[in-house]
Amino acid sequence: QVQLRQSGPGLMKPSETLSLTCAISGESVSSNSATWNWIRQSPSRGLEWLGRTYYRSRWYNDYALSMKGRIMISPDVAKNEVSLHLNSVTPEDSAVYFCARVAGANWFDPWGQGTLVTVSS
Amino acid sequence: SYVLTQPPSVSVAPGKTATITCGGLNIGSKSVNWYQQQAGQAPVLVIYNDRGRPSGIPARFSGSNSGTTATLTISRVEAGDEADYYCQVWHNGSDPPYVFGTGTKVTVL
Repeated sequence: QVQLRQSGPGLMKPSETLSLTCAISGESVSSNSATWNWIRQSPSRGLEWLGRTYYRSRWYNDYALSMKGRIMISPDVAKNEVSLHLNSVTPEDSAVYFCARVAGANWFDPWGQGTLVTVSS
Repeated sequence: SYVLTQPPSVSVAPGKTATITCGGLNIGSKSVNWYQQQAGQAPVLVIYNDRGRPSGIPARFSGSNSGTTATLTISRVEAGDEADYYCQVWHNGSDPPYVFGTGTKVTVL
């Protein structure tokens, strides 16, 4: 079955770039029937979808408008991973970040284990 | 953007039925998914497409959706059901297109 394993730093300073990786096992990141998503969760904003990448003969990305200009989600086919990069972070970006798959329809399953990111000077 | 509203908390005695609602404009025309999130863990899908149950999810979990309210029902509640529950929809044309509810904390008395 598909499993997602996240990695990346948990403590950052304002203005730095957040970089998280989601290692995929059990399915190819290049699957024509899956999308690979990043979601974050904070007490103030709840669960918030950030964006996705997916392959349909070529690579596509979609991002939440609130993130545009700061976010990049990219695949690494050789490593079968998906990465999230969020630049110019502020304390408002402090949250638990999850990667999650959507396969076929519009529900998230499975999820990565989550990474707590704290932005503080 | 599209908004999904859930009650902040629901309390239920063991063996009884918990009902969690998710309100949204014309939500009955959308496909609703539900997630269970235990403390400190990632969400887990418990209902998809209004009433589908993933393998491994007990039949005690059921869903329905009509009009302006979707409902997650947990029958014969157990202590292990204590968790936060979130509804979620895909709302085409909205930003963001994936929308989550505000979450409901289920407490087993």
